Amino acid sequence: KNQVEQSPQSLIILEGKNCTLQCNYTVSPFSNLRWYKQDTGRGPVSLTIMTFSENTKSNGRYTATLDADTKQSSLHITASQLSDSASYICVVRVWRGSYIPTFGRGTSLIVHP
Amino acid sequence: DAGVIQSPRHEVTEMGQEVTLRCKPISGHNSLFWYRQTMMRGLELLIYFNNNVPIDDSGMPEDRFSAKMPNASFSTLKIQPSEPRDSAVYFCASSVSGKGYEQYFGPGTRLTVT
Repeated sequence: KNQVEQSPQSLIILEGKNCTLQCNYTVSPFSNLRWYKQDTGRGPVSLTIMTFSENTKSNGRYTATLDADTKQSSLHITASQLSDSASYICVVRVWRGSYIPTFGRGTSLIVHP
Repeated sequence: DAGVIQSPRHEVTEMGQEVTLRCKPISGHNSLFWYRQTMMRGLELLIYFNNNVPIDDSGMPEDRFSAKMPNASFSTLKIQPSEPRDSAVYFCASSVSGKGYEQYFGPGTRLTVT
């Protein structure tokens, strides 16, 4: 069982609408959590990083939240654009002798005009 | 900076052949990561190096896979012999070492083994 679970697996929305992607993790001890955006045919690019003590962090139209008690994070996209169509990957960095990134399988987002 | 450079971008080979993937990290970065991405399993960490030394290779699937980092500006991932199930996109990423530092990914190498 993957230790970082993302939902939904895929999502289709209309341009201009908002959406929220979820990430639940079971791994510990936890160092930080990142959300990456991966466009088709390209490598992932970091959107936000959150540490244990942070609850909310924004990057333009992207807002990430973290509840370290329930081990849940969300990525909220406001006023979606066609360029938001991509895969969004949640990555939790855990201690395994050194800090190792553990990846979720991603949410595939398609924004339609 | 040109970012992380990977070559080749695409590789098609026959089962049993040796495959070598190459990566040049961002100058000044001292951590390097090799990943494999498939539809079924998503992104998987294969191995990572810190200051050219392999730190964790627990993700390397089997003895057919090997990785080297002879210097700070070059790394290779070798598969010998290759099998159809090795078909995937292989990413290299680099970062400054430390738990908070962002990884910068290369464009990936799409490997197809027939």
